[in-house]
Amino acid sequence: AQRVTQPEKLLSVFKGAPVELKCNYSYSGSPELFWYVQYSRQRLQLLLRHISRESIKGFTADLNKGETSFHLKKPFAQEEDSAMYYCALSGSSGNTPLVFGKGTRLSVIA
Amino acid sequence: DSGVTQTPKHLITATGQRVTLRCSPRSGDLSVYWYQQSLDQGLQFLIQYYNGEERAKGNILERFSAQQFPDLHSELNLSSLELGDSALYFCASSVGAGGRSYGYTFGSGTRLTVV
Repeated sequence: AQRVTQPEKLLSVFKGAPVELKCNYSYSGSPELFWYVQYSRQRLQLLLRHISRESIKGFTADLNKGETSFHLKKPFAQEEDSAMYYCALSGSSGNTPLVFGKGTRLSVIA
Repeated sequence: DSGVTQTPKHLITATGQRVTLRCSPRSGDLSVYWYQQSLDQGLQFLIQYYNGEERAKGNILERFSAQQFPDLHSELNLSSLELGDSALYFCASSVGAGGRSYGYTFGSGTRLTVV
């Protein structure tokens, strides 16, 4: 079974501090992992795909297959980063719906 | 604009009533997914259609149903509404039958309030 766990419901950090949003997954095959961001109850927007190894808005995420994790990191948090962040997994067949974690609300304090 | 259009944006209705939510996928996308977002449960997958056919079913109640039409737009029908059905309902689309490689494009959602 596919499962995504985001252990923190809420994460508060000060502006300029490093941020790490945790994501752990459970999947026996070779998954693809994504991070989505949702600002102020708006639509979800794709932030990162692990296969593209990109950095968006200063955020990066590395897939660690040994620890089955895909943590989202940013060295210096900004107030505009305050949002809801969802980690999602796509199974290796590619034909099953994305499975989302329950999300972590990031609050950046000025 | 993300390309996925959902209407209406807001809906207030009474318990026991029936409503229809509409979604037009991004141009070229064949799959439509419906998700329910509530405060405690996060994003719960309801149902997926691919090119007019039901592809996958998640935690969708029997009171809920959906369909995808030949022009690929989709409708989610919610009936015998209860207070607990109040939530944000998102539609998403993708090119293929799953979210592999490119993920989904989401609509802005329909906020349903049952009173």
